[in-house]
Amino acid sequence: GAVVSQHPSRVICKSGTSVKIECRSLDFQATTMFWYRQFPKQSLMLMATSNEGSKATYEQGVEKDKFLINHASLTLSTLTVTSAHPEDSSFYICSASSYSSANEKLFFGSGTQLSVL
Amino acid sequence: GENVEQHPSTLSVQEGDSAVIKCTYSDSASNYFPWYKQELGKRPQLIIDIRSNVGEKKDQRIAVTLNKTAKHFSLHITETQPEDSAVYFCAASIDTNAGKSTFGDGTTLTVKP
Repeated sequence: GAVVSQHPSRVICKSGTSVKIECRSLDFQATTMFWYRQFPKQSLMLMATSNEGSKATYEQGVEKDKFLINHASLTLSTLTVTSAHPEDSSFYICSASSYSSANEKLFFGSGTQLSVL
Repeated sequence: GENVEQHPSTLSVQEGDSAVIKCTYSDSASNYFPWYKQELGKRPQLIIDIRSNVGEKKDQRIAVTLNKTAKHFSLHITETQPEDSAVYFCAASIDTNAGKSTFGDGTTLTVKP
């Protein structure tokens, strides 16, 4: 299957600092990538859709100035949590879709555990 | 928008028994229904999926059934093994936009040896 790489896997930062998370499609091109947030023992909540070469589309209630998304190439999308606060602490996961046997399937990154002190 | 409900939230079975997880969806336009397995702190991985043009799909010990009329679909795991223990998520979407799937709340499956 397609491989999506996400870094870092874990980050601890001070309140007020910014954190950048990278999501790469390693063996396929992804014009669209997706960013999710997951709280402990809860489901995946879609935050935004990252579109290569254009602005990201944010889900309702997600602050676009807080969660900056850049998708500058067909294999890389980045999520920057700006001026992080403790309530931003969460597990962030990206995904990208790839076509397998003419059907679209979703492949996930390994996730980033963000802890804001 | 789409609403996906998943039951049960936790499920404990004895090794070798079967496990069944059920999901319902609300949007009749949804036609792609994947199931993901997520081990603690790791990425969700697609284990099986079904599209609305079929009613059942099987892959070794895993099967998924879909009832379009009733808008529900189920995951069946037979001959469960301890390594099947994980959180399982169902999802529903329009198949041209799998990334915008709506996910169920997850089922924590524990297989006791």
